[in-house]
Amino acid sequence: DAKTTQPTSMDCAEGRAANLPCNHSTISGNEYVYWYRQIHSQGPQYIIHGLKNNETNEMASLIITEDRKSSTLILPHATLRDTAVYYCIVFNDYKLSFGAGTTVTVRA
Amino acid sequence: EPEVTQTPSHQVTQMGQEVILRCVPISNHLYFYWYRQILGQKVEFLVSFYNNEISEKSEIFDDQFSVERPDGSNFTLKIRSTKLEDSAMYFCASRRLAGLIYEQYFGPGTRLTVT
Repeated sequence: DAKTTQPTSMDCAEGRAANLPCNHSTISGNEYVYWYRQIHSQGPQYIIHGLKNNETNEMASLIITEDRKSSTLILPHATLRDTAVYYCIVFNDYKLSFGAGTTVTVRA
Repeated sequence: EPEVTQTPSHQVTQMGQEVILRCVPISNHLYFYWYRQILGQKVEFLVSFYNNEISEKSEIFDDQFSVERPDGSNFTLKIRSTKLEDSAMYFCASRRLAGLIYEQYFGPGTRLTVT
């Protein structure tokens, strides 16, 4: 599975958009980009995934660069409940390999 | 919305004892997983299960671990002789059969404390 690089932590103001970057320069053509989050030792929660095209759902938007070497998860209007560790995972297998993720703190 | 459930939420056991952690996956899902997370560390894959057999397991999943789907709804993880280092959160996950789509849905976890 391709490795990913994420910032260790970031802060975001409540109500503002949170943009979470992820580098995956070794991604191969059939590997998807998945985002999960984990709120304070709860079970990881699926957010969104994509292959080539940008994706949007009720939780977030995923922007994937044309060369697919990086992506950005966008939380459009961050709330205090979005404080969590966010994981960017690239794989084409059936097990998830979690890294350290980005600890996002949303501040009032 | 369907959810993965896990019981118990917290299990305390003495070293050397056997524990069984239980999970009820989402009803139309066909792939099942166990992960664990030692306090302060990453979430680690343990095992995947499909069609009543293990499809993949990690190095962590040694002979003291076993999984079973005894009745078509429950999915269990057994640790035969617990060690202090087995203390962790254990998460069950499931996913439906959907081609290349690998959305896994996780349960709330069982906190296992081995004393």
